[in-house]
Amino acid sequence: GESVGLHLPTLSVQEGDNSIINCAYSNSASDYFIWYKQESGKGPQFIIDIRSNMDKRQGQRVTVLLNKTVKHLSLQIAATQPGDSAVYFCAENPGGGNKLTFGTGTQLKVEL
Amino acid sequence: DTGVSQDPRHKITKRGQNVTFRCDPISEHNRLYWYRQTLGQGPEFLTYFQNEAQLEKSRLLSDRFSAERPKGSFSTLEIQRTEQGDSAMYLCASSLGRGHTGELFFGEGSRLTVL
Repeated sequence: GESVGLHLPTLSVQEGDNSIINCAYSNSASDYFIWYKQESGKGPQFIIDIRSNMDKRQGQRVTVLLNKTVKHLSLQIAATQPGDSAVYFCAENPGGGNKLTFGTGTQLKVEL
Repeated sequence: DTGVSQDPRHKITKRGQNVTFRCDPISEHNRLYWYRQTLGQGPEFLTYFQNEAQLEKSRLLSDRFSAERPKGSFSTLEIQRTEQGDSAMYLCASSLGRGHTGELFFGEGSRLTVL
């Protein structure tokens, strides 16, 4: 499944499928990007981050891709599990500063 | 538990009352952030501290809002004369802050409901 994040705020996938969540960031001077997962009633939880000198970074079952040309970030989750159901936020540090600015988020729903 | 802790987790108050939230960051972290999150939206930056110095404040932080970190450890966020529009989740985060922006570790938040 694939989502454009801001335009399709809900992504539904079958358990075991791969998920792709997309994010368009706004500031070309941002040099750090991060994905957070937020479950209902909880604070955001770190998933993976990437610096602007990279275009791909892999973690456990997750991959982040960065395309600076079009200011696009994506999160790929392999073999999506019910526990992955949550809202996913991308964030950037605008202007290379010391704070993070968050996108609107995408709700991921994993169907059994 | 050595994560970021926030207190109280929930606060219900009447319009016009003052409320204060406390955040205890991860002990070795020198940067502390406050964010606000409303339903269905991403967290919005309010302010951040490097040790005890408040280095940046958002335009969202009106005169009714004040944040302190007096000894560079815990922080408080006070909202005076609360309004219904202040109802939100107030999130605290901390980071090591060595040079470049790094991962922010978030607490579970303090949910404010203004009646």
